[in-house]
Amino acid sequence: AQKITQTQPGMFVQEKEAVTLDCTYDTSDQSYGLFWYKQPSSGEMIFLIYQGSYDEQNATEGRYSLNFQKARKSANLVISASQLGDSAMYFCAIGRDTDKLIFGTGTRLQVFP
Amino acid sequence: GAGVSQTPSNKVTEKGKYVELRCDPISGHTALYWYRQSLGQGPEFLIYFQGTGAADDSGLPNDRFFAVRPEGSVSTLKIQRTERGDSAVYLCASSLTPGGASNEQYFGPGTRLTVT
Repeated sequence: AQKITQTQPGMFVQEKEAVTLDCTYDTSDQSYGLFWYKQPSSGEMIFLIYQGSYDEQNATEGRYSLNFQKARKSANLVISASQLGDSAMYFCAIGRDTDKLIFGTGTRLQVFP
Repeated sequence: GAGVSQTPSNKVTEKGKYVELRCDPISGHTALYWYRQSLGQGPEFLIYFQGTGAADDSGLPNDRFFAVRPEGSVSTLKIQRTERGDSAVYLCASSLTPGGASNEQYFGPGTRLTVT
């Protein structure tokens, strides 16, 4: 079985600063993917970034980067230069071939001026 | 449309009633997923379709829940004899090809179901 653990229920960051949201996972699969989604107060789930288990380089998408440490089974999301619009719930998820996503409980990020 | 659409956006029903929730995936996406999100939790998987067939329905909580995708596009989640514990946001997602490891899922705005 797969499992995602997000231990930070809430995080605060000042605008323009960087923030790291933690995610650890458990799986017995050799091939899997790790995803981060953003969920603003409006409720929609917005895909941010993906990391494959065989990818040797950390994924980056604009201000988002994924700090993938396979041996530690962690996939932390780093948001650089935080903006007020980054305030939202952030979910880490794991998936494998032809399968559903398993989500963590999320981290609520609040960006203050 | 450009994205995944779900109707209705909100549904209030009485305990014991039957409800149907509709999902219209992104055109050309072969895989379709249903999730349920309770307050303060992450989405929980319910069922996954590849084309017209349910490839994995292991997340359906009991036999009151059923979903169909007869033509491989639109899907309907059906809940019989609703209970107050069914109250949640029901999310639909689609992906271009099945494969949780390499194909991101695009989510719809969800249907908020309230059972009174």
